[in-house]
Amino acid sequence: EAGVTQSPTHLIKTRGQQATLRCSPISGHTSVYWYQQALGLGLQFLLWYDEGEERNRGNFPPRFSGRQFPNYSSELNVNALELEDSALYLCASSSRRNQPQHFGDGTRLSIL
Amino acid sequence: GQQVMQIPQYQHVQEGEDFTTYCNSSTTLSNIQWYKQRPGGHPVFLIQLVKSGEVKKQKRLTFQFGEAKKNSSLHITATQTTDVGTYFCAVDYNAGNNRKLIWGLGTSLAVNP
Repeated sequence: EAGVTQSPTHLIKTRGQQATLRCSPISGHTSVYWYQQALGLGLQFLLWYDEGEERNRGNFPPRFSGRQFPNYSSELNVNALELEDSALYLCASSSRRNQPQHFGDGTRLSIL
Repeated sequence: GQQVMQIPQYQHVQEGEDFTTYCNSSTTLSNIQWYKQRPGGHPVFLIQLVKSGEVKKQKRLTFQFGEAKKNSSLHITATQTTDVGTYFCAVDYNAGNNRKLIWGLGTSLAVNP
């Protein structure tokens, strides 16, 4: 069974640009979660999608947005990038709302 | 808003010593999950606790859920260098469709051989 896959592995952008990160969940999983993990910090919850709808979002500004496609894959979009957006962005999927999450290897976003 | 406190933030032990990390909430939890993240890796699910007072074991790891479902602990007996990593608890607040999964800041474990 293929795990959660994220692309790209690394992404380098400059301030003010826009970034798009992609995630493919484990086959059969309908819930997708996005997290930001800055260096030395814990996991900060960004977004939760389930069955194509945004179910909840963390305390992040509106320039962090995303969507979930009919095949349950997901995109995270970050507009007007700022230096402090530099972090590892992790995607996770689960089969149902309260089931364990399975993580991808992440996209490391660097803002210059 | 809901918060979960995880302590300690860091722990340095000699190989063979025991290790415990605690996760505390001010409100009652639906369930709690524990994850381990190795350096350079991604979080990996360890276990989920649902019932009040529940105790589960995985080899040298013992997980407990408090009677009031407001706290939990992860205890490792006789640590090994393979236990190195950051241990996170993730707690589930479930109010109808407004489900939130809140993560502790993690406890980083270093083990001296």
